[in-house]
Amino acid sequence: AQSVTQPDIHITVSEGASLELRCNYSYGATPYLFWYVQSPGQGLQLLLKYFSGDTLVQGIKGFEAEFKRSQSSFNLRKPSVHWSDAAEYFCAVVPTGGGNKLTFGTGTQLKVEL
Amino acid sequence: DTEVTQTPKHLVMGMTNKKSLKCEQHMGHRAMYWYKQKAKKPPELMFVYSYEKLSINESVPSRFSPECPNSSLLNLHLHALQPEDSALYLCASSPRGGRNTGELFFGEGSRLTVL
Repeated sequence: AQSVTQPDIHITVSEGASLELRCNYSYGATPYLFWYVQSPGQGLQLLLKYFSGDTLVQGIKGFEAEFKRSQSSFNLRKPSVHWSDAAEYFCAVVPTGGGNKLTFGTGTQLKVEL
Repeated sequence: DTEVTQTPKHLVMGMTNKKSLKCEQHMGHRAMYWYKQKAKKPPELMFVYSYEKLSINESVPSRFSPECPNSSLLNLHLHALQPEDSALYLCASSPRGGRNTGELFFGEGSRLTVL
């Protein structure tokens, strides 16, 4: 069955520390891959996307993600976390070729300690 | 202008009430979406309108009735809801009406409480 998994429900990091949020997918062909962020009480904002090509993609707010086909992963990273990065992070996929059905992972709640 | 605007931000209604949620975008996007999000959960797709026609209905109960009057507006009509329908309702849009790439622009949501 097609699925997208975020193994970590909660992650706590200290401000200034590095961050890596994990995402794994299970699809027949590599889907389009996304990371969205949701601040408390807010809608979702697209951080970055991967369709094809360079496996390291840069996004907004200093985030980057690396696609690894061999591991079916698309992990999100940030070298130095800021307190304002505390939020819920969702990995999401659309089947290759596009479509209107964006499927979200279960989310990872990021807490930043000052 | 890159906004999706949702009104109202908060809505409290009884189980016998009829109310509507509204969504507006002026980015020229041709697909619009309703998602439902319960606390601590990911958004769940409810409906998709593509070129103002309903293209996806994720088996949503008929007490939720979507409407797309034109390419900029999306409504969600609510009638005879249940307390378990209390949630954050998110509207989103994307540029193409057909096979979009998954880049969605979300509004801030309407927080619905059903008493």
